Amino acid sequence: ETGVTQTPRHLVMGMTNKKSLKCEQHLGHNAMYWYKQSAKKPLELMFVYSLEERVENNSVPSRFSPECPNSSHLFLHLHTLQPEDSALYLCASTQHLAGGPTYEQYFGPGTRLTVT
Amino acid sequence: RKEVEQDPGPFNVPEGATVAFNCTYSNSASQSFFWYRQDCRKEPKLLMSVYSSGNEDGRFTAQLNRASQYISLLIRDSKLSDSATYLCVVNRVDDYKLSFGAGTTVTVRA
Repeated sequence: ETGVTQTPRHLVMGMTNKKSLKCEQHLGHNAMYWYKQSAKKPLELMFVYSLEERVENNSVPSRFSPECPNSSHLFLHLHTLQPEDSALYLCASTQHLAGGPTYEQYFGPGTRLTVT
Repeated sequence: RKEVEQDPGPFNVPEGATVAFNCTYSNSASQSFFWYRQDCRKEPKLLMSVYSSGNEDGRFTAQLNRASQYISLLIRDSKLSDSATYLCVVNRVDDYKLSFGAGTTVTVRA
């Protein structure tokens, strides 16, 4: 496997379900991100992990819960979602150097989530 | 004011044409600039970084204008496969995160 992978690619869940999205990066990066992309809207940053520590939680509702067990893996746990949470959820990674330039991010293929 | 603003388009051009569009950013201290390409229902993919002196990658040319706080992308000799949404991306100052524009849609027709 190369690059950034995400599973599942598609997910349909009811509002009372609990599910998890998984992301894995094979690039040796030390920072990982969750983004939400709704139709016709810019990417919205949800969470950032750097060196396995969460460094940003962008006012995301508590029904979204991230987990980063190591620098290669990132999860997004979902529970009691709302229909408006239906979107494309993208994982990305980058190499962060403290005090250094901002490098480009590499994205996984995304999970297309539909909440019914 | 949004951190990154783009003309949504769409820009509809014939094959072989040249198309160009800009993106403005709000923070004058931004240092890193990128163009990403996103195909329908796919993830964004890095097209090119944008350097201060401007840079070219094949048919694609990116320019940075710091005084007016905008970056541009020019596509020469458009191909059908260039049809996509082009995202302007700028680093957030004082951290290592990126701000994404909503994208400019380009459609190249035969």
